[in-house]
Amino acid sequence: EVQLLESGGGLVQPGGSLRLSCAASGFTFTSDAMSWVRQAPGKGLEWVSAIGRGGTNTYYADSVKGRLTISRDNSENTLYLQMNSLRADDTAVYFCAKGGLSTKGFDYWGQGTLVTVSS
Amino acid sequence: DIQMTQSPSSLSASVGDRVTITCRASQGIKNDLGWYQQKPGKAPKRLIYAASSLQSGVPSRFSGSGSGTEFTLTVSSLQPEDFATYYCLQHNSYPFTFGPGTKVDIK
Repeated sequence: EVQLLESGGGLVQPGGSLRLSCAASGFTFTSDAMSWVRQAPGKGLEWVSAIGRGGTNTYYADSVKGRLTISRDNSENTLYLQMNSLRADDTAVYFCAKGGLSTKGFDYWGQGTLVTVSS
Repeated sequence: DIQMTQSPSSLSASVGDRVTITCRASQGIKNDLGWYQQKPGKAPKRLIYAASSLQSGVPSRFSGSGSGTEFTLTVSSLQPEDFATYYCLQHNSYPFTFGPGTKVDIK
């Protein structure tokens, strides 16, 4: 059974940093691209970032470019999102999602972790 | 970037109704379009990928069609568990983009 378990969310002040993790199990982690998708309170879904299977190729939404960094540790089956220079509009539930271009979107999702940016 | 629009933004329907949601892309995306269902407080769930391929385990009352810039999701006979918000997603190129969503509630 595929499982994606996010952690690392919490309350952070504007300008602060946070690192999210997504522990993957139940599939061959190195076979798939991985992504982060977020959802601000009461709003729709926004794709944030994706990383290729090997970790070399990364992609970002314009809204987070230069502030958020996606990475993966294939030896630990874990996806990361390093979040720096956080702003109030980064407040959202962050979902880890399995897939990307080659898998035609996201076939599995984690349960999400809430990031709140507030003073 | 490719922009996605959806219509309607919300609709009220009854159990057993046939429901159709439309998604439009700002440029051609071939058949690189998926549909996702989300219930309050839950993660999204993929229903359709590549415009018309049914995700394994999804009931056959859900179907998708379209190519290029216009796509539809149809629920042939709405069931109580189908009341949710539906999003389209273009997976043709990065940055991926979602439609704004269509909320389906009970009439």
